[in-house]
Formats: sequence, structure tokens, C-alpha cells
Amino acid sequence: DQQVKQNSPSLSVQEGRISILNCDYTNSMFDYFLWYKKYPAEGPTFLISISSIKDKNEDGRFTVFLNKSAKHLSLHIVPSQPGDSAVYFCAASPTKRIGGLTFGEGTQLTVNP
Amino acid sequence: DVKVTQSSRYLVKRTGEKVFLECVQDMDHENMFWYRQDPGLGLRLIYFSYDVKMKEKGDIPEGYSVSREKKERFSLILESASTNQTSMYLCASSELGHRGLINYGYTFGSGTRLTVV
Repeated sequence: DQQVKQNSPSLSVQEGRISILNCDYTNSMFDYFLWYKKYPAEGPTFLISISSIKDKNEDGRFTVFLNKSAKHLSLHIVPSQPGDSAVYFCAASPTKRIGGLTFGEGTQLTVNP
Repeated sequence: DVKVTQSSRYLVKRTGEKVFLECVQDMDHENMFWYRQDPGLGLRLIYFSYDVKMKEKGDIPEGYSVSREKKERFSLILESASTNQTSMYLCASSELGHRGLINYGYTFGSGTRLTVV
């Protein structure tokens, strides 16, 4: 069973506009969430994270929103740039457990000039 | 400035072969992980290790084993390679967080694309 789901395999936006990537989770034990970005032929790199004690975290052009009641988080990129074109993975874990992160399927973001 | 190094970028192996995928990190991290990435499935955890000679099964350990004899090196072993193990394999490391909790600052290697024919 997929505990972290990214229902959109791909997203295409115009440069300068907002990109919104969505992620849903089912495991109520998850209380720490992250977004990773992956370019072709490279490993994923950490982008931004959020703890369940918050509902928003911002870092420059990137903002992550967490809706615990809906078990939903989203990543907003404003303004989108062509260099943001990559696969974005949502990941989650309970903080009080030793173990790896659970990742979603990924969303391919394409930002058109 | 390479921090997590996977020994091979591309590998082609025959069905039934024993395959070793090597990963080395130079950040003195306690935790190391092996994931595989497949289209439509994302990254799935195979095994992880939080100390030398310690290993724990992840979500899909069947057909794999691991070895961690030194802190900096974590090897993934395919005992008898099969075509359904054709995939991109990603190694990651992270430091031990406060009070023993996992620190989620994963650093990933560039991956090994394995093809089993």
C-alpha cells in the first residue's frame, strides 16, 4: 500500500507563474515531511521540510503547507523558473522511529520559458 | 565536493549473477540507506543501517542483502540477480539526530542504473 501518494505524475507551468505540487499520506504516525528535487542522472537533493507542529514553512521561493486533518501537504514555487524543471518527491516519517523515509511516486515539473 | 559516491553509474548483469553495489560516504554519517527508484513507484527503501555491522530491513528487502563493515561503506548485494531487479539504485546517508532520532538531512549518491538481462 502506498502510504505517500503524489497523484499527478506531471505538471507543466509557465515561467513566472506559481507551481503547486500536491502530496497525500495515509499513515497517521507521520509527523515530519520533506520535499526532494531530482534532476536526471543525479541523486535527489533536499528542498524543504515541515514538522507537524507547523502548518507552513517558507524558504525563499518555496513554501510547504501542511493540512493535518486532511493528511495533505503541498509545495508552492513562486515564481517558477525553467531551472525548477525536475522530478519532485514528497517524503514522510514518524520522527520517533528509527528507519528510512517513505517517498511518494514523484511529480515531473516542467517550467516553460 | 562529492560526498556520497556510488561505484558504478551503469551496470549490466546476467540473470543469476551475484551483484555488488558499493556506496561510500565521506561525511562520517552514522546512517546509510539503499533505495530503488522505479517509474510510478517512487523511491522504495530496501535496507538501512544505523551503525557499523547493524542492518535493518526496509520495505522491499527480498532478494537483497547488505554489508556494513566500515562506517563509511554500505554495500548492497543481489544474491542472484533477476530481471525484476532492473532499476535505478540510490544510496543515501544521514547523521544521527538529537537523542538518537534520525536526522532527515539525507545526502544521496548519483545512483546506479542496473540492467539485468
